[in-house]
Amino acid sequence: QQQVKQSPQSLIVQKGGISIINCAYENTAFDYFPWYQQFPGKGPALLIAIRPDVSEKKEGRFTISFNKSAKQFSLHIMDSQPGDSATYFCAAGINKLIFGTGTLLAVQP
Amino acid sequence: NAGVTQTPKFQVLKTGQSMTLQCAQDMNHEYMSWYRQDPGMGLRLIHYSVGAGITDQGEVPNGYNVSRSTTEDFPLRLLSAAPSQTSVYFCASSYAVVLGDYGYTFGSGTRLTVV
Repeated sequence: QQQVKQSPQSLIVQKGGISIINCAYENTAFDYFPWYQQFPGKGPALLIAIRPDVSEKKEGRFTISFNKSAKQFSLHIMDSQPGDSATYFCAAGINKLIFGTGTLLAVQP
Repeated sequence: NAGVTQTPKFQVLKTGQSMTLQCAQDMNHEYMSWYRQDPGMGLRLIHYSVGAGITDQGEVPNGYNVSRSTTEDFPLRLLSAAPSQTSVYFCASSYAVVLGDYGYTFGSGTRLTVV
């Protein structure tokens, strides 16, 4: 019962490059779409979130692109840095969050 | 300003034993939840609570019980531990019952091994 599908499972990017992680959801009632970042041994932390009434939200080097008709949203990390190396989770929900399976990002110096 | 505190950080149980994972938050958050994290499975919701005295099941509730007698505490009970419950458990809380830009605050996790 995977309502939020995330890809790729892992990603290697060179320093300064663009990291792109994609998610697709099934429930059209979902109205909140956050991305979480998790470092080893730590709990996930909110990175950026979007509502379906906008198609894009940018915070610093992090951008969410949202396509309501395709039921897809993605995270773009511009100018990726080694410190961005972590596991990233997308999520979606109404009054509780359903998470994707995670993407392990490695940014090589 | 502790945020969400989970105890213990590590635990080894024998099959059939019971235990309680503790979760406490000091932010006066109404919403609290428990997730388990397994490789390749992401975070799966076990149980959640929208306020004291109110709990509900998530995606994978079997084998777990919860109660919410106070706003601050949301313990997770394993009734009879099984190897399939080996996982990392995260407690999360949120100011708003209806999701918003507040997001979830996660604890640092409890790594549980059932042998």
